[in-house]
Amino acid sequence: NAGVMQNPRHLVRRRGQEARLRCSPMKGHSHVYWYRQLPEEGLKFMVYLQKENIIDESGMPKERFSAEFPKEGPSILRIQQVVRGDSAAYFCASSPSPGESYEQYFGPGTRLTVT
Amino acid sequence: DAKTTQPNSMESNEEEPVHLPCNHSTISGTDYIHWYRQLPSQGPEYVIHGLTSNVNNRMASLAIAEDRKSSTLILHRATLRDAAVYYCILRRSGGSNYKLTFGKGTLLTVNP
Repeated sequence: NAGVMQNPRHLVRRRGQEARLRCSPMKGHSHVYWYRQLPEEGLKFMVYLQKENIIDESGMPKERFSAEFPKEGPSILRIQQVVRGDSAAYFCASSPSPGESYEQYFGPGTRLTVT
Repeated sequence: DAKTTQPNSMESNEEEPVHLPCNHSTISGTDYIHWYRQLPSQGPEYVIHGLTSNVNNRMASLAIAEDRKSSTLILHRATLRDAAVYYCILRRSGGSNYKLTFGKGTLLTVNP
C-alpha cells in the first residue's frame, strides 16, 4: 500500500512565479492536511480538505495561497507570486477520519526554494 | 490550547533504552497525548498515542503519569535509525482536533 505521495520533492522558483505542490493521499483516505515547516521551526497547520471541500483554512495566509482537493486527482497547494519568505518544506498528510484516535500519515514533503 | 514542554535535545547510545520526557501541566481531561517523530529530510511519522493508561506498540511505549501532567516516550533499544526529532502533541477530543500543533520537539542523537 503506497504511502502519501508528494511531488515534486524539490521545487525552485524565482520571485513572482507560481508554485504548485501536489499530494496524493493514501488509498482509502479522503481527508488531507497541509503543513508548512519554516527553517528551524516546527510544522504549522495550514489547511484541511475533504474531497471537493475546504473544511478549515485558518492556517493559510489570506493572499496568494490556495488549496483544492478535486473529486479526481491529487490535492494541490498553489502559491502565486512567490516571495523569499515562502521558502520552506511543505508537508501533506492524510487520514481516514479526523478523529482524535486517528494518526495522520505524512508524505516526504516538497522543499520550496524561492530565489 | 494546552502546551507541551520538551528538552531541546537528548543523547543516547545504540541498543540502550531512551526515555523522552514531556510536560503538559495544563492538559485537559479530553486531551489525547500523541507522539510523532521526524527523521532527517522526511515527513513526521506517528509513533504512539494514549489517554490515561500506559500504551505499548511495536515502536515504543508511552508511560503517562497518574495526574496526566507529564508523559514519557520509551524506546526500549535505541538504534541509529531512531535518531530524529520527537514531538509530543496534545489532541483534544472533538472540535478541530485534526490540527496537529508541533513544537520544537526533542532532537535525539544516537551514538554507535
